[in-house]
Amino acid sequence: SQQGEEDPQALSIQEGENATMNCSYKTSINNLQWYRQNSGRGLVHLILIRSNEREKHSGRLRVTLDTSKKSSSLLITASRAADTASYFCATDLQGGSEKLVFGKGTKLTVNP
Amino acid sequence: EAQVTQNPRYLITVTGKKLTVTCSQNMNHEYMSWYRQDPGLGLRQIYYSMNVEVTDKGDVPEGYKVSRKEKRNFPLILESPSPNQTSLYFCASSRRRVPGGSSYEQYFGPGTRLTVT
Repeated sequence: SQQGEEDPQALSIQEGENATMNCSYKTSINNLQWYRQNSGRGLVHLILIRSNEREKHSGRLRVTLDTSKKSSSLLITASRAADTASYFCATDLQGGSEKLVFGKGTKLTVNP
Repeated sequence: EAQVTQNPRYLITVTGKKLTVTCSQNMNHEYMSWYRQDPGLGLRQIYYSMNVEVTDKGDVPEGYKVSRKEKRNFPLILESPSPNQTSLYFCASSRRRVPGGSSYEQYFGPGTRLTVT
């Protein structure tokens, strides 16, 4: 199964509300990254959080990491219609692998 | 402007007709990678390259070839495309991790939508 799995698969909210997406993973990581993808377009990097960090902020984005629970969450505050996109977590596994392992994503719809 | 470019953006072809999707980056990145994205399956890595002349298989390499003769270019070759290779393909690049360190953010191209009939 996937190393990183996002939850929920889909989320629909109203503009101005907060959106929270979760990512769970199975094995130890070096870092965890969140990406956004607008429909059919390339992924855009949002935030990278290292395994020794617990929380990071970037504008309206807040990412937390709980390595004991092997989970991360992405919070988007005061959402806008332009935040409508799919959000993916990607894990950088410990053990020498060069690759990122992507989850299947959460599809967020922000209704105006 | 830092970017990853892919060509073509859209391609419809027939089974068995060899094709190449080009990928180029202008950030002097050592690491480059190809992914395919399919509904319900997320992004799966096809091949990656850690530097010139160094390539390795990802999770779904069957039916694909790559080469890395120059640092900036990483073409994806389908020698004999089949309908199950119909997909959305992405190229990505990043700085290479230092030994024992962690990875960096990846920069993605705009995608190539391939249809094989």
